[in-house]
Amino acid sequence: AQKVTQAQTEISVVEKEDVTLDCVYETRDTTYYLFWYKQPPSGELVFLIRRNSFDEQNEISGRYSWNFQKSTSSFNFTITASQVVDSAVYFCALSEAGGTASKLTFGTGTRLQVTL
Amino acid sequence: EAGVTQFPSHSVIEKGQTVTLRCDPISGHDNLYWYRRVMGKEIKFLLHFVKESKQDESGMPNNRFLAERTGGTYSTLKVQPAELEDSGVYFCASSPRRIVPGELFFGEGSRLTVL
Repeated sequence: AQKVTQAQTEISVVEKEDVTLDCVYETRDTTYYLFWYKQPPSGELVFLIRRNSFDEQNEISGRYSWNFQKSTSSFNFTITASQVVDSAVYFCALSEAGGTASKLTFGTGTRLQVTL
Repeated sequence: EAGVTQFPSHSVIEKGQTVTLRCDPISGHDNLYWYRRVMGKEIKFLLHFVKESKQDESGMPNNRFLAERTGGTYSTLKVQPAELEDSGVYFCASSPRRIVPGELFFGEGSRLTVL
């Protein structure tokens, strides 16, 4: 069975601080995908990134970066120089690589509050 | 281009009543998914349609839940009779025929409160 754990329920930071959201996963599959989704106050989930289990390269996109470490089954997400607009609930998710790979197993989410 | 739309945004019903949630996917998207988040818990997969056919309904909790997608366009999720534990946010998502793994377009969700 697959499982995603986001131990941080809520994080509060002051604007311009860096913040890391933790994600630990469990799976018996040898190939799988990892994802991060953002849920802004409007409610919809917005896709941020997908990582294939064979690709452990870290990725950077603007102020966002992701650190995938297979050895520790973690896929952490760092926001550099946080902004108020980053305030949202962030979900980490996992899917098997077969089929459509769209049957996602989500974590419970981390609520990020960025204040001025 | 319109995104995934869900209706109603919030529904409050009493235990034993029936509720029908509707999802309009992005036009042209063959794949449609229903997910649910019970308060404070993780978002869980319910089922997946490819056009009008159920591809995977392994996440449907019990036979009180009925999902349909007539004509392969919009979808409905009916809960009958509703129980207290059905309260939560029901998300619909869609993706194009050629699927990019896990890149789903979600709606804003329908919040269901069962009293």
